[in-house]
Amino acid sequence: DTEVTQTPKHLVMGMTNKKSLKCEQHMGHRAMYWYKQKAKKPPELMFVYSYEKLSINESVPSRFSPECPNSSLLNLHLHALQPEDSALYLCASSQDRGRYEQYFGPGTRLTVT
Amino acid sequence: LAKTTQPISMDSYEGQEVNITCSHNNIATNDYITWYQQFPSQGPRFIIQGYKTKVTNEVASLFIPADRKSSTLSLPRVSLSDTAVYYCLETGGATNKLIFGTGTLLAVQP
Repeated sequence: DTEVTQTPKHLVMGMTNKKSLKCEQHMGHRAMYWYKQKAKKPPELMFVYSYEKLSINESVPSRFSPECPNSSLLNLHLHALQPEDSALYLCASSQDRGRYEQYFGPGTRLTVT
Repeated sequence: LAKTTQPISMDSYEGQEVNITCSHNNIATNDYITWYQQFPSQGPRFIIQGYKTKVTNEVASLFIPADRKSSTLSLPRVSLSDTAVYYCLETGGATNKLIFGTGTLLAVQP
């Protein structure tokens, strides 16, 4: 199984809502990532988890809160988002940190109203 | 800030070989060169990776000269389904941070 799954596929939320994005992989990968991608732009790294611990936070605003409950799951908790946070949120995993291939999920299309 | 430079777009026709070149002017000694493909509204997909000389797999070839200041992704006999954005990246080190540049939008026409 070389699949990374993400739920939901689409999410519309108001600026006062709290929601969560979920990501799951069963490849035994020990590194997991969140990226944000705006339309017609390249993906931008947000967070890196390594062995279930946050290792990189790319100066992401605190309204985005990542969580790694176990080695297979990665969540991104959203609170008080702004319309400019609307984007495709991509999750990825790799065997470990370093030069290993990253496997990306299909993404969650988020719209903040 | 992206570390690589590549053309914004390229056009091709079905059945042709396509070569996309990327500049790696400041590549670190320990970094590998990796290419990803992305279709609209999907996550990027790994294509190929190399350190130097030539690497070939079932979908592409990667040419890296001895000075490693550039790389060329070669797609043999492209089809319409190869229309996508192609990203070259420098990968490795302890962080495995993927820093995506602008990518090259390849448009394959019939």
